Amino acid sequence: AQSVTQPDIHITVSEGASLELRCNYSYGATPYLFWYVQSPGQGLQLLLKYFSGDTLVQGIKGFEAEFKRSQSSFNLRKPSVHWSDAAEYFCAVGAGTGGFKTIFGAGTRLFVKA
Amino acid sequence: GAVVSQHPSWVICKSGTSVKIECRSLDFQATTMFWYRQFPKQSLMLMATSNEGSKATYEQGVEKDKFLINHASLTLSTLTVTSAHPEDSSFYICSASRGLMNTEAFFGQGTRLTVV
Repeated sequence: AQSVTQPDIHITVSEGASLELRCNYSYGATPYLFWYVQSPGQGLQLLLKYFSGDTLVQGIKGFEAEFKRSQSSFNLRKPSVHWSDAAEYFCAVGAGTGGFKTIFGAGTRLFVKA
Repeated sequence: GAVVSQHPSWVICKSGTSVKIECRSLDFQATTMFWYRQFPKQSLMLMATSNEGSKATYEQGVEKDKFLINHASLTLSTLTVTSAHPEDSSFYICSASRGLMNTEAFFGQGTRLTVV
């Protein structure tokens, strides 16, 4: 069965510091991978996605993620965090035929300190 | 393109009543729609998958008689929470997919349900 693991429940970084959020997936075929961000009480915003090709994908708001098949990982990175990046981040894998079922990880809450 | 709209954004209802949440794909035809539930500070849990014109497929542990899903057209799916109770209070999010050849589902903004 497909699954997504985000090992860090929460992370605190200083504003201006770099960020890496970890994500590991389990999926039998080539995965479609996503990172979403959710601010409190809000819906989801897609940051970036990987389907195929270049394993380093660029997203919005200065985020990037690297797909590593050998490690079954899809970690999210940002070189310099801004206070407005504080939110919940979800890694997800797209699976299934007849539509597109998205399986989410547990999420990582990012806190940014001044 | 690919906008999904949910209505209402938030709703408060009395215990024992039913409430309907709509999910619309505004600029594309959604052959498949998904309904998720999110408890506070938790992840999104898939409740059911609905294909236009057929019965929804519910995930294990989801009561199909309590959460009625209708996908009568290619642009509209509805989730009805029947005989709502306070424990049904949650954030409900839908997503829509164009179908087999699509590689992404598009999410609505969510509906906050509070049962009092």
